[in-house]
Amino acid sequence: AQKITQTQPGMFVQEKEAVTLDCTYDTSDPSYGLFWYKQPSSGEMIFLIYQGSYDQQNATEGRYSLNFQKARKSANLVISASQLGDSAMYFCAMRQGEGGSEKLVFGKGTKLTVNP
Amino acid sequence: DSGVTQTPKHLITATGQRVTLRCSPRSGDLSVYWYQQSLDQGLQFLIQYYNGEERAKGNILERFSAQQFPDLHSELNLSSLELGDSALYFCASSVDAGTSLIGNTIYFGEGSWLTVV
Repeated sequence: AQKITQTQPGMFVQEKEAVTLDCTYDTSDPSYGLFWYKQPSSGEMIFLIYQGSYDQQNATEGRYSLNFQKARKSANLVISASQLGDSAMYFCAMRQGEGGSEKLVFGKGTKLTVNP
Repeated sequence: DSGVTQTPKHLITATGQRVTLRCSPRSGDLSVYWYQQSLDQGLQFLIQYYNGEERAKGNILERFSAQQFPDLHSELNLSSLELGDSALYFCASSVDAGTSLIGNTIYFGEGSWLTVV
């Protein structure tokens, strides 16, 4: 069964520094997608970045980049130049599709705190 | 703003009652997903609809039901509510449900906070 593991319950980073949030996944399906979402304390789930299993290059979206290592089954999120507004929960998720249906399987999340 | 609209944003109700959560997907999106987020269970997939038809079912209780209407909005009905049903309920949408377009991003609404007292 597909599974997402986020081993860091909490992370701290100084403002303006870079931080890496870890995510490993387990799937036997050769075709899959990996997502990162941000959930601030207000509760909404904000899409950050996507990586497809067949994508040759690591995805980037502004200050977010995804360090995709397929052989190691890891999809770590790198946030550069951290800002105070980056303090939030971050969820890694994998999209699995079976028989025409698709759903996201989420990890337990990492709480990121950016210190001034 | 993700374009996914959920109402109500907050709801407090008593045990044994029934509530309906409503979701309007992003314009052009045919797939609607419902997720439940609770402290002890994390984010759990409940159910998916695609263009009015149920496509996938997750950890959805028999007391819960959902449907997607011809205008593509969706409703999640929660009945015989228990204290443990208190959670944040998310609706999400995407363009397609087929695995051929696995790159479709799934966008989430702001969620409906349900408190059962």
